[in-house]
Amino acid sequence: DAGVTQSPTHLIKTRGQQVTLRCSPKSGHDTVSWYQQALGQGPQFIFQYYEEEERQRGNFPDRFSGHQFPNYSSELNVNALLLGDSALYLCASSLGGGSRSYNEQFFGPGTRLTVL
Amino acid sequence: AQKITQTQPGMFVQEKEAVTLDCTYDTSDPSYGLFWYKQPSSGEMIFLIYQGSYDQQNATEGRYSLNFQKARKSANLVISASQLGDSAMYFCAMRESLTGNQFYFGTGTSLTVIP
Repeated sequence: DAGVTQSPTHLIKTRGQQVTLRCSPKSGHDTVSWYQQALGQGPQFIFQYYEEEERQRGNFPDRFSGHQFPNYSSELNVNALLLGDSALYLCASSLGGGSRSYNEQFFGPGTRLTVL
Repeated sequence: AQKITQTQPGMFVQEKEAVTLDCTYDTSDPSYGLFWYKQPSSGEMIFLIYQGSYDQQNATEGRYSLNFQKARKSANLVISASQLGDSAMYFCAMRESLTGNQFYFGTGTSLTVIP
């Protein structure tokens, strides 16, 4: 049973560039959430995708956008990169709905983005 | 106000001893879930244990137990019989029904198990 996968593992960009990160959810999961984890901090919620739509968004600017595909995989796009965007970007998958399993999120290994 | 507060930046424990990692939370939502995750140096967040706000009993999962004190808004993680592999960052998190789908995380506690 494949867990959550993310690509690439590491990425180095310069200020002003754009980046796309990718996530494949755990088998059977239909909901993908993205988090930003700065060094020494806990993850901060960026947004969540369900049924190919952004269902909820955290306190992040419009430079952060995303997409979910029919196979439930997802992309996170960040435009006009700033030095402060350097972080570990985590993807988490879960099941939509009201069961307890919905409460549980499974995380991928993350993509470490460095902005120079 | 912070939704999740973890006041212990770092903790040390002797191998085979028990350790308690503190977590307090802030919410006015009567329905919420509390979670603990382990994050090794590799970066992946590993789910450890879950406690629902309406659960009557404290959650347990193997060597992990959650000391849930609802009136004090506290959800401490207890790790029994610590092992060297337990050395990692530990994060407390909460999901509220009202705010829907996002998880709020604390700043984490770095646990080091000493042989």
